[in-house]
Amino acid sequence: QKEVEQDPGPLSVPEGAIVSLNCTYSNSAFQYFMWYRQYSRKGPELLMYTYSSGNKEDGRFTAQVDKSSKYISLFIRDSQPSDSATYLCAMRWDKIIFGKGTRLHILP
Amino acid sequence: GAGVSQSPRYKVAKRGQDVALRCDPISGHVSLFWYQQALGQGPEFLTYFQNEAQLDKSGLPSDRFFAERPEGSVSTLKIQRTQQEDSAVYLCASSFSSGTGSFSGANVLTFGAGSRLTVL
Repeated sequence: QKEVEQDPGPLSVPEGAIVSLNCTYSNSAFQYFMWYRQYSRKGPELLMYTYSSGNKEDGRFTAQVDKSSKYISLFIRDSQPSDSATYLCAMRWDKIIFGKGTRLHILP
Repeated sequence: GAGVSQSPRYKVAKRGQDVALRCDPISGHVSLFWYQQALGQGPEFLTYFQNEAQLDKSGLPSDRFFAERPEGSVSTLKIQRTQQEDSAVYLCASSFSSGTGSFSGANVLTFGAGSRLTVL
């Protein structure tokens, strides 16, 4: 079992829908949780980070962490075609470990 | 510079050739990381530098992989006697502060666009 599990998708949703992306993890030592967005042929860029259980909002994006269940989520409200990308969850203990990434397509 | 710069963007090598991939981090960034991203996978950690010191090389897959950052700025990832399984995108990332300890905006990683290596 990998330390971080993420469904690779692809996930296709219509424009304007709420998107839910999820990861599970096995290492309870992870302290910091991040979501990166990666467009094709580009490097990952950080969207959000958090270190505590609960929700954190930034515009249309909400990151949710449940440490008791070892489960993290990213919600995207009012999804736009420009949100089409691969979304990577990442977690840090001493080094940053990434999930496989979920390919998201927002259909106009 | 404005961002992390990597070169070459694309490299095709014959099996057995040596390759060198360059990373130019953001000026003043102390920490530098190398990751390997295979097709359809997330980035996998290779190695980490704090200034010129290589503090963690636990992710390097074999002794054919070697990384250096002699003056604490530009870094080079060298792969000797390339094999087909080395085909991947090699990502470099840098951050302003050290990669360990408490997390803050100062140690957020900024990634380059990557060097795509294809070994035939």
